[in-house]
Amino acid sequence: GEDVEQSLFLSVREGDSSVINCTYTDSSSTYLYWYKQEPGAGLQLLTYIFSNMDMKQDQRLTVLLNKKDKHLSLRIADTQTGDSAIYFCAERDAGAGSYQLTFGKGTKLSVIP
Amino acid sequence: DSGVTQTPKHLITATGQRVTLRCSPRSGDLSVYWYQQSLDQGLQFLIQYYNGEERAKGNILERFSAQQFPDLHSELNLSSLELGDSALYFCASSVGTGETQYFGPGTRLLVL
Repeated sequence: GEDVEQSLFLSVREGDSSVINCTYTDSSSTYLYWYKQEPGAGLQLLTYIFSNMDMKQDQRLTVLLNKKDKHLSLRIADTQTGDSAIYFCAERDAGAGSYQLTFGKGTKLSVIP
Repeated sequence: DSGVTQTPKHLITATGQRVTLRCSPRSGDLSVYWYQQSLDQGLQFLIQYYNGEERAKGNILERFSAQQFPDLHSELNLSSLELGDSALYFCASSVGTGETQYFGPGTRLLVL
């Protein structure tokens, strides 16, 4: 079955760039997503990338996709304390008409002032 | 604010009881998805409804059931509750069956 792996923790200094990595196994995935969860809050969609793209940039966020290695990364430029949260990578299951999302365990980003 | 609403925000109940969680999708969205977030299992897909019909099933226990009503809101029913059912339950919605999913704030369930 599908599996999405992420490192559990990342700590960066305010103003530096953060890079959160994710690997996935389903080669038929068509969309890959990044969601952000702040303490006590729901999941906020940050960005997504279609599998025929290599890169997508949206303001401070850059998503890179390496389809050969099934590796996805999220880069946050000029990281701020407000970026402290858990970041989830998710792939959309494209099999059998089901569009459920399979999530990684989440990476907790801590931003040091 | 994603536009997806969930009630209640918090729920505390006892083992063996039954609860109902409610979700209203974004205006115009026909699909509703339910996910469970627990410390040990992470975020897991439970079930999807599209325009009133069940579309996909994930790791949903037989004690759990869901439905989507004609006005497109959805309810997740959890019965014979066990301590291990304590979790955050999220609802998400999308326009159709393959579009981006937007999540509600979740219902935190505590079973004592």
